[in-house]
Amino acid sequence: AQKITQTQPGMFVQEKEAVTLDCTYDTSDQSYGLFWYKQPSSGEMIFLIYQGSYDEQNATEGRYSLNFQKARKSANLVISASQLGDSAMYFCAMREYRSSNTGKLIFGQGTTLQVKP
Amino acid sequence: SQTIHQWPATLVQPVGSPLSLECTVEGTSNPNLYWYRQAAGRGLQLLFYSVGIGQISSEVPQNLSASRPQDRQFILSSKKLLLSDSGFYLCAWMAKIGTGVNQPQHFGDGTRLSIL
Repeated sequence: AQKITQTQPGMFVQEKEAVTLDCTYDTSDQSYGLFWYKQPSSGEMIFLIYQGSYDEQNATEGRYSLNFQKARKSANLVISASQLGDSAMYFCAMREYRSSNTGKLIFGQGTTLQVKP
Repeated sequence: SQTIHQWPATLVQPVGSPLSLECTVEGTSNPNLYWYRQAAGRGLQLLFYSVGIGQISSEVPQNLSASRPQDRQFILSSKKLLLSDSGFYLCAWMAKIGTGVNQPQHFGDGTRLSIL
């Protein structure tokens, strides 16, 4: 079974508008971490934002915020005021507590975001 | 600050030839290290990870191997490349801080490998 599901293969957003990228996850661990990465066409993976399962506040990093709904097991990335440079593939990833020593991440299949001028 | 170097950036190799991709990390010690492969437009597949010198764990059976001869050096190798080995290879590191789940992995710029 998929542990990380990103249901939107591709999305478009108008420049300066906000966009939400969906991510749902599945784990039986009580402690886990959720990560979002950005991969531009050049290929490097850029860490954007982290949310811990016990964090009471939604994580924010500049224009990035995480809409964390624990009961629904969702961790959607919200990008505010989209810029042309936000066009990229975005990956949601999870680390379960059982993998805390190895540091292994489980990645979703990604969502390609295109920002229109 | 920590940096990760991965080379070469691109590589074109004939089927049956050997492979060696190298990754080094600077500015940290005793990191966890990872090799991933990514097919075009797809997600990341974890190939190997290492929690210390000489300690290699394989995630996917294949004709690739990995080695960690030094603390901050991770090498991906093959004796004979297959067409199916084509892809984008990414190296990553993670700091061992605490025992929690919150440390991100940090990635190199990747190697685009084409097998002809």
